[in-house]
Amino acid sequence: SAVISQKPSRDICQRGTSLTIQCQVDSQVTMMFWYRQQPGQSLTLIATANQGSEATYESGFVIDKFPISRPNLTFSTLTVSNMSPEDSSIYLCSVAGTGTGELFFGEGSRLTVL
Amino acid sequence: QKEVEQNSGPLSVPEGAIASLNCTYSDRGSQSFFWYRQYSGKSPELIMSIYSNGDKEDGRFTAQLNKASQYVSLLIRDSQPSDSATYLCAATSTSGTYKYIFGTGTRLKVLA
Repeated sequence: SAVISQKPSRDICQRGTSLTIQCQVDSQVTMMFWYRQQPGQSLTLIATANQGSEATYESGFVIDKFPISRPNLTFSTLTVSNMSPEDSSIYLCSVAGTGTGELFFGEGSRLTVL
Repeated sequence: QKEVEQNSGPLSVPEGAIASLNCTYSDRGSQSFFWYRQYSGKSPELIMSIYSNGDKEDGRFTAQLNKASQYVSLLIRDSQPSDSATYLCAATSTSGTYKYIFGTGTRLKVLA
C-alpha cells in the first residue's frame, strides 16, 4: 500500500478565507481522489484529481469552491475557498493501488471554520 | 445516482461472537468491493477487498459477495472490543469516471 501524507492535519480558519491541503504519495499513482467527511457522516467524493488536466468534480462540487491541482503522479492539492462554517469537515486524500484497485487514505485534514 | 447502502446500527455483539455486517449496492456493473474500518477521529483503513462471487477469508474476517443479489457482507469471528468501530462498505462505480462509492457505514460495538 502507498504511504500518503496530508498536511495540515488540522486547522482552524476564519470565515471567508481559503485553505490549501497538500497530499504527497510515496509512489506514482494514476488515480487520486479527494473526499469530504462531515461530522457523523460517511465519505462524499469531491473530485477525481487528474494528472495534467482539470479535475473531474462530482455533483454539488465546483472548481471555484474546491480548486484542485495535480502537477505530477505523486502530489495533489485541494483548496477550500471562501470558507463558511458549513465547510467544517475532514478532507481526505486517497489513492488507488495499481493492479488491485484498492483505495488507500491519508490521515485526513480536519478543518474547522469559525 | 448509484448507491451503496448499509444499516447504520449500532450493531452490538458480545465479545467472542460473530459480527455480521451487510451492504447492498445498486450499480450492477460494479466489479470491486471493499470493507473499511474507521475508528473515531481516524481515517478509513482497508480490511478486505473482494472481486468475485463467493467467500474470501483473511484471519478473523470473511467477506462474501453475491453479484446476482448485489449484496456484500463482512463476518468478523471472535469479535474483540478493539473491533468496535464504524465499518464502511465501498463499491466501484461504472457510471461516468471510475470512482469509489461509500455506504453510510455500520457502527459496531463489541461488548466485553
